[in-house]
Amino acid sequence: EAGVAQSPRYKIIEKRQSVAFWCNPISGHATLYWYQQILGQGPKLLIQFQNNGVVDDSQLPKDRFSAERLKGVDSTLKIQPAKLEDSAVYLCASSHWTGGSGGYTFGSGTRLTVV
Amino acid sequence: TQLLEQSPQFLSIQEGENLTVYCNSSSVFSSLQWYRQEPGEGPVLLVTVVTGGEVKKLKRLTFQFGDARKDSSLHITAAQPGDTGLYLCAGYNNNDMRFGAGTRLTVKP
Repeated sequence: EAGVAQSPRYKIIEKRQSVAFWCNPISGHATLYWYQQILGQGPKLLIQFQNNGVVDDSQLPKDRFSAERLKGVDSTLKIQPAKLEDSAVYLCASSHWTGGSGGYTFGSGTRLTVV
Repeated sequence: TQLLEQSPQFLSIQEGENLTVYCNSSSVFSSLQWYRQEPGEGPVLLVTVVTGGEVKKLKRLTFQFGDARKDSSLHITAAQPGDTGLYLCAGYNNNDMRFGAGTRLTVKP
């Protein structure tokens, strides 16, 4: 089966600019996650979707970050405006059943550099 | 503070050596997963352990879940350069998965 697709792979922007990331999960996976991984740290959950509904966005900085999963398939994550501390790898993952207790499949990530 | 503490943070060994890395928490998890992440890629699931005391083997890798389901270890026998990567543990509870900061392993030929 095809994996989780993410684009772009790399993005460099200036602070206060906007940026958007795209994710296409594995076909049939109902649950989709966006993680932020800062250099030297483990992934931190930003938002979790079940189909097109939000299950958990408690750690999403909602003043600048937004995400949507229209039609319950693809998802986009947006940052507006970006700050220097947003420099990180943004990982998208999907799982077959709610909560993903059986494991997640991750995409290759988007490496964002804010200068 | 990390919910899951992984140790050591860095480990550099020679090919053929054995090693163990640890994942510890004060929380009880319904399951725990180990992932390996290579530079420029996303984490790849290695194993999921569910039962306290469970031991799973994947070729040269042995995973153990603590009896109290609060900690886990990963043992690699006769490490190879291809084992180089960031090893992440992740604990799952009530629809919530939390990752440790990882152990960065380098195996030198």
